[in-house]
Amino acid sequence: SYVLTQPPSVSVAPGKTAKITCGGNNIGRKSVHWYQQKPGQAPVLVMYYDSDRPSGIPERFSGSNSGNTATLTISRVEAGDEADFYCQVWDSSSDHVLFGGGTKLTVL
Amino acid sequence: EVQLVESGGGLVQPGRSLRLSCTASGSTFGDYTMSWFRQAPGKGLEWVGFIRGKAYGGTTEYAASVKGRFTFSRDDSKSIAYLQMNSLKTEDTAVYYCTRAAEEASADAFDIWGQGTMVTVSS
Repeated sequence: SYVLTQPPSVSVAPGKTAKITCGGNNIGRKSVHWYQQKPGQAPVLVMYYDSDRPSGIPERFSGSNSGNTATLTISRVEAGDEADFYCQVWDSSSDHVLFGGGTKLTVL
Repeated sequence: EVQLVESGGGLVQPGRSLRLSCTASGSTFGDYTMSWFRQAPGKGLEWVGFIRGKAYGGTTEYAASVKGRFTFSRDDSKSIAYLQMNSLKTEDTAVYYCTRAAEEASADAFDIWGQGTMVTVSS
């Protein structure tokens, strides 16, 4: 079955750029979606179809997807961005939804 | 703006059943795919399964971990989706989220999430 791999943690200083990766075999051929989850809250969709931002998501959030890696980039990181981030795809061959294991973003 | 509210969670003994409900307000389900996700305490997100809209066959898909035990249904006239959970196991303990797909025909991204309801399976 298809597997999505995320680093368990990423740390970044305020004002800097954070890059959270999601690896998968030829993931560039799939649409990747990203969710942000803060403690005690439901996840929020912050990026879909690789690089589209839902309404209300700051322009500091951007996404890319090519080859075997999709990346969520957060520019000018703020303390309020600290959260767990999950990548997700829909696997057309199985008609199933898959998640990466999640990445904890820590703002130093 | 559509809002989803889950209900029906609680404490249940292993082997018993529980039915969760997901009610939409602000709009109807339309023919959007409705999906359920769960998150065990301290763990990551796990897809449970989904049910497509009637216009797209109303088909269902389930994660291997729940197939044969869980069943999805929907009452579009009332904008309520259901998750019937049978033969519950301790490993089903989690917060269960109801979600709506971002696009009607797809099961790709999910942009509307409920607040979640806790299910605890324990003797």
